[in-house]
Amino acid sequence: ETGVTQTPRHLVMGMTNKKSLKCEQHLGHNAMYWYKQSAKKPLELMFVYSLEERVENNSVPSRFSPECPNSSHLFLHLHTLQPEDSALYLCASSQDLDSSYNEQFFGPGTRLTVL
Amino acid sequence: GQNIDQPTEMTATEGAIVQINCTYQTSGFNGLFWYQQHAGEAPTFLSYNVLDGLEEKGRFSSFLSRSKGYSYLLLKELQMKDSASYLCAVVDSNYQLIWGAGTKLIIKP
Repeated sequence: ETGVTQTPRHLVMGMTNKKSLKCEQHLGHNAMYWYKQSAKKPLELMFVYSLEERVENNSVPSRFSPECPNSSHLFLHLHTLQPEDSALYLCASSQDLDSSYNEQFFGPGTRLTVL
Repeated sequence: GQNIDQPTEMTATEGAIVQINCTYQTSGFNGLFWYQQHAGEAPTFLSYNVLDGLEEKGRFSSFLSRSKGYSYLLLKELQMKDSASYLCAVVDSNYQLIWGAGTKLIIKP
């Protein structure tokens, strides 16, 4: 596989369920990101990891819990979500974090629906 | 606060030219990206501008004016496959990407 992959592509869950989203990058990058994309809104940065250390947490509710076991893998653990959490969740990676030319490579996203 | 403005939606005709504008107010500036996102797919990189002027890449060009806080993406010889959302993003002084909400471009035959 090449690039950034995400699984599952689609997820429907109840408010009491626990699920996890998985992201894997095959680009040798040092930084990884979780974004939330809602219709007609800017991409919302949720979490940033650099060399497996979390460097950014943009006031995300605790029902979202990230995990970065190594520089190639990123997880987003979900529990007791709300219907307003329904969105497209995108994972991205970039070579480094602190550079002006910081092209981010995105995965195809997980379309999450919370019932 | 930081803000990126782009039109919500635009419509153009196959074979024509369309210009998608982006204005920004950010804390510092370290470059501007344009990404393309087809429905249900990942955003993909189109262009990066850090100096004023026009960058041309095939049918797509991107322009930047730092003094005006303004950029545009120019798409020529439009094809049906160009129907997508186009996202403008600015790299701020902390090297964070600040994203616009995207412009949905609809191409009609």
